[in-house]
Amino acid sequence: GESVGLHLPTLSVQEGDNSIINCAYSNSASDYFIWYKQESGKGPQFIIDIRSNMDKRQGQRVTVLLNKTVKHLSLQIAATQPGDSAVYFCAENIEGGSEKLVFGKGTKLTVNP
Amino acid sequence: KAGVTQTPRYLIKTRGQQVTLSCSPISGHRSVSWYQQTPGQGLQFLFEYFSETQRNKGNFPGRFSGRQFSNSRSEMNVSTLELGDSALYLCASSLGGQGFYEQYFGPGTRLTVT
Repeated sequence: GESVGLHLPTLSVQEGDNSIINCAYSNSASDYFIWYKQESGKGPQFIIDIRSNMDKRQGQRVTVLLNKTVKHLSLQIAATQPGDSAVYFCAENIEGGSEKLVFGKGTKLTVNP
Repeated sequence: KAGVTQTPRYLIKTRGQQVTLSCSPISGHRSVSWYQQTPGQGLQFLFEYFSETQRNKGNFPGRFSGRQFSNSRSEMNVSTLELGDSALYLCASSLGGQGFYEQYFGPGTRLTVT
């Protein structure tokens, strides 16, 4: 069905370590994927995106990997900092008669000092 | 540049009432999307408006409706409120090309239905 799921609901890492947050999607019609970060009391904040014709995209300290063969998306955060503590959502843009954005349930990242 | 603003930030309503939420997009953005966020269902897409027309729609009942004005400001209305409508309602704006590219979210309106 049309769903975006996450493998782990919580992730705890030490400050300075690299973090990897995973996401599985099921709709092969999805053409665009986005990662959002949501801090407590705030709306989601755009982190990085990737189109389906790419398999990797890098930003500042973040990298998104897309594996269309197994329908898997991941977000890598380098040198994780306490300010990275938040809930991270992946989302897929599904084209069709009515386009829509489908979000995963979210992974809560906790960075320990 | 000012971000997306939503009013009110918090709202308490009684079952059966109706409610209207407001969203002002970033200046120059013509697309406004609405989402419902609950602990159980996560973030779910309600609908998207572009140039005063509903362009895309999620899977919510007809009690949920919206509109967009000529200045791109948008309102969302929920009629005959149910307890399950308690949620954080988020709006997001973007320039408006096809697809949900580079959306910027507001802080949300926390609706509690009692």
